[in-house]
Amino acid sequence: DGGITQSPKYLFRKEGQNVTLSCEQNLNHDAMYWYRQDPGQGLRLIYYSQIVNDFQKGDIAEGYSVSREKKESFPLTVTSAQKNPTAFYLCASTDRGQGAAGANVLTFGAGSRLTVL
Amino acid sequence: SQELEQSPQSLIVQEGKNLTINCTSSKTLYGLYWYKQKYGEGLIFLMMLQKGGEEKSHEKITAKLDEKKQQSSLHITASQPSHAGIYLCGAGTQGGSEKLVFGKGTKLTVNP
Repeated sequence: DGGITQSPKYLFRKEGQNVTLSCEQNLNHDAMYWYRQDPGQGLRLIYYSQIVNDFQKGDIAEGYSVSREKKESFPLTVTSAQKNPTAFYLCASTDRGQGAAGANVLTFGAGSRLTVL
Repeated sequence: SQELEQSPQSLIVQEGKNLTINCTSSKTLYGLYWYKQKYGEGLIFLMMLQKGGEEKSHEKITAKLDEKKQQSSLHITASQPSHAGIYLCGAGTQGGSEKLVFGKGTKLTVNP
């Protein structure tokens, strides 16, 4: 079945360490996204990519980095510069060609929960 | 930037009761999306509304977008424990941008 796979599901990090969250999709979607979810704050956009080898900062990109070397993969690195990285991270994708303008139904992965010790 | 306000923040109902969740924007909504999330899991797409006055239903869930395209409601009829979770609304931005913004979510508890 087609979908988005995020790994690991749970991750613990010591302060000062970089960690990379994996996101792989087999939906042949062009666009991929990373969101951060904190209790009571909803989803906030970190980075997004509309095409391979290109990506844009979202609303809270500081302390994060991404790459988009392959269409199906969009890994997120949480760097030591991110002051409060403990959160639930969600990856999503969408097919840019579907529907009218604004008709971007996102498919989400199951999420990765990062805890800084 | 566009912000979406959801109300209520949390809701506890008895099984079998009807309920409504609202999503409001100060700006025109270009595509309004409703998602459901179980705690600690990803979001599941429920419905998308694009036109003013549009209404869609799936099983016991009905979503509406007002004529001015600034407010949407999600109505659940005869709620069941399986309806429990967090409901989030998301909206596209003007010009068909692929950046969606989301409300903070409404946590629904259904007591048997």
